[in-house]
Amino acid sequence: EAGVTQFPSHSVIEKGQTVTLRCDPISGHDNLYWYRRVMGKEIKFLLHFVKESKQDESGMPNNRFLAERTGGTYSTLKVQPAELEDSGVYFCASSQGPFDTGELFFGEGSRLTVL
Amino acid sequence: GIQVEQSPPDLILQEGANSTLRCNFSDSVNNLQWFHQNPWGQLINLFYIPSGTKQNGRLSATTVATERYSLLYISSSQTTDSGVYFCAVENNAGNMLTFGGGTRLMVKP
Repeated sequence: EAGVTQFPSHSVIEKGQTVTLRCDPISGHDNLYWYRRVMGKEIKFLLHFVKESKQDESGMPNNRFLAERTGGTYSTLKVQPAELEDSGVYFCASSQGPFDTGELFFGEGSRLTVL
Repeated sequence: GIQVEQSPPDLILQEGANSTLRCNFSDSVNNLQWFHQNPWGQLINLFYIPSGTKQNGRLSATTVATERYSLLYISSSQTTDSGVYFCAVENNAGNMLTFGGGTRLMVKP
């Protein structure tokens, strides 16, 4: 069974540009999460989808970040325009759900570098 | 929200040594996981352990939910064990994991 996959593994962009990160959860998992770790800080929750619906987006830092989960399958996280402080590793995770979180399985992360 | 504290923050071991990493949390939890972030940044699931004890090879973990802590044991450490170990918990009121600050482990040959 394939795990959580993320793309790209590493992206280098200039300040003001746009980047879109993609996450494919484990097949059949209703819960999908985005987390990030910016330089030297803790891993922080960004948002949670249950199927195609945003369950909780309290961790989204500002309106430059937009997450979607079309049809309840894969998810994208767009940063537009990117700022220097957005650099870090963005993790996606999924769990079976929908009602109990259960064990979360994380992808390998997408490293974002904003110059 | 729930607070998660890990200790020690940094740990240096000689290859072959054993170690214990600790995770304290401030509220009742219904999910606790241990992860290893390797030097390439990948986050690897180690244990899903809201209570009890589990073992996987040289690693084992114990969570004492009533006393709000979990321990990760690494025996006969190897250089490949180096990286950051994170504990993350979900409390009864939430639907997300809250991560501790991590323990950075370096195993020297």
